[in-house]
Amino acid sequence: AQSVTQPDIHITVSEGASLELRCNYSYGATPYLFWYVQSPGQGLQLLLKYFSGDTLVQGIKGFEAEFKRSQSSFNLRKPSVHWSDAAEYFCAVGADRGSTLGRLYFGRGTQLTVWP
Amino acid sequence: DGGITQSPKYLFRKEGQNVTLSCEQNLNHDAMYWYRQDPGQGLRLIYYSQIVNDFQKGDIAEGYSVSREKKESFPLTVTSAQKNPTAFYLCASSIRPPGQGFTGELFFGEGSRLTVL
Repeated sequence: AQSVTQPDIHITVSEGASLELRCNYSYGATPYLFWYVQSPGQGLQLLLKYFSGDTLVQGIKGFEAEFKRSQSSFNLRKPSVHWSDAAEYFCAVGADRGSTLGRLYFGRGTQLTVWP
Repeated sequence: DGGITQSPKYLFRKEGQNVTLSCEQNLNHDAMYWYRQDPGQGLRLIYYSQIVNDFQKGDIAEGYSVSREKKESFPLTVTSAQKNPTAFYLCASSIRPPGQGFTGELFFGEGSRLTVL
């Protein structure tokens, strides 16, 4: 069965520090991988996505993520965090075939707090 | 501007009442989805629809119903059978490029918060 694990429920970093949010997935086929961000009381916004090709993908707001098939991971990184990055971050996995056509499986989210 | 509109943003319901949440999109997307979000549980899929007049149950469909009579609309009814309906509900859509499968990339509305009194 498909699943996504985000091991860190809550992370706190100082403004200007680097950030890495972890994501591990379980999926039998080649996955499509996504990171979404959610501000309080809002919908989700796509940060970046991996479908195929280069395993290091760049997203909006200075975020990047690296797909590592051997580790079943898709960790999100940012070299220098800004106070406006405080939000909840969700990793998701999906595919375009079989019984899971068109749907995504989400992790439980990581809440990011940024100290000034 | 194209997007997904959910209404109402806040809704209060008495126990035993049905309530319908609206979701409209003008993105010309083929597929639409309803997710439920509870603190610390991420997003759980309630129902999804890939084409008009067709929809499938997600992981937590019990106590919910949907319809897809028009491409742009996918309303969700929370029935009195739903034991714990207080939650944040998110509607999303995705496109299927011609000749390709769904990419899985979702576009979300801003959500509806339902509180049962």
